[in-house]
Amino acid sequence: EVQLVQSGAEVKKPGESLKISCKGSGYSFPNYWIGWVRQMPGKGLEWLGIIYPGDTDIRYSPSFQGQVTISADKSISTAYLQWSSLKASDTAIYYCASTSSAWYRPSYWGQGTLVTVSS
Amino acid sequence: NFMLTQPHSVSESPGKTVTISCTRTSGSIASNYVQWYQQRPGSAPTTVIYEDNQRPSGVPDRFSGSIDSSSNAASLTISGLKTEDEADYYCQSYDSSNWVFGGGTKLTVL
Repeated sequence: EVQLVQSGAEVKKPGESLKISCKGSGYSFPNYWIGWVRQMPGKGLEWLGIIYPGDTDIRYSPSFQGQVTISADKSISTAYLQWSSLKASDTAIYYCASTSSAWYRPSYWGQGTLVTVSS
Repeated sequence: NFMLTQPHSVSESPGKTVTISCTRTSGSIASNYVQWYQQRPGSAPTTVIYEDNQRPSGVPDRFSGSIDSSSNAASLTISGLKTEDEADYYCQSYDSSNWVFGGGTKLTVL
């Protein structure tokens, strides 16, 4: 069974850094793209970017390029999303989602990580 | 880049049929597959339709997807509505290197 397990909720202050994780199991982690999706409170889904863990090929949404960093460690089947300096507007639920054979469609979703940024 | 436009909300009675549209703002809707995701409150999205009209195993055949090149839109149709279908629905497509989500439609079954 494919599973994506994300790290727990975080409460941070503006300006702090943060790295959240997404651990995959039940499939060949290096061989399928993983994407990150943001959902701000009461809002819709926004795509941040995707990574191919096998060779760390990364594609960012133009809207989020430079705002976040996506990475992965295939040796431990884990993808990451990180910020160097959080803003209050980064408050959201962040989902990771892995693809199947098709890079363009997320098939399996993590449970989401709530990030709250407040002074 | 293109956008996907959805109605903000739709409502229908149990047992009826509802259709949710997803209009592509530029480029052909037929150029790239469209997926549909259901998101219930407090839960992650799940796929109800992929590649325009394919249903994952476990999704009832009450859910169907289609595309219409004349209106440049994709549609999700849910027949025999049940109260458990009440949720947010998102369409999703892509271009050469980006995923694109629609803004989401809140389905109320009343």
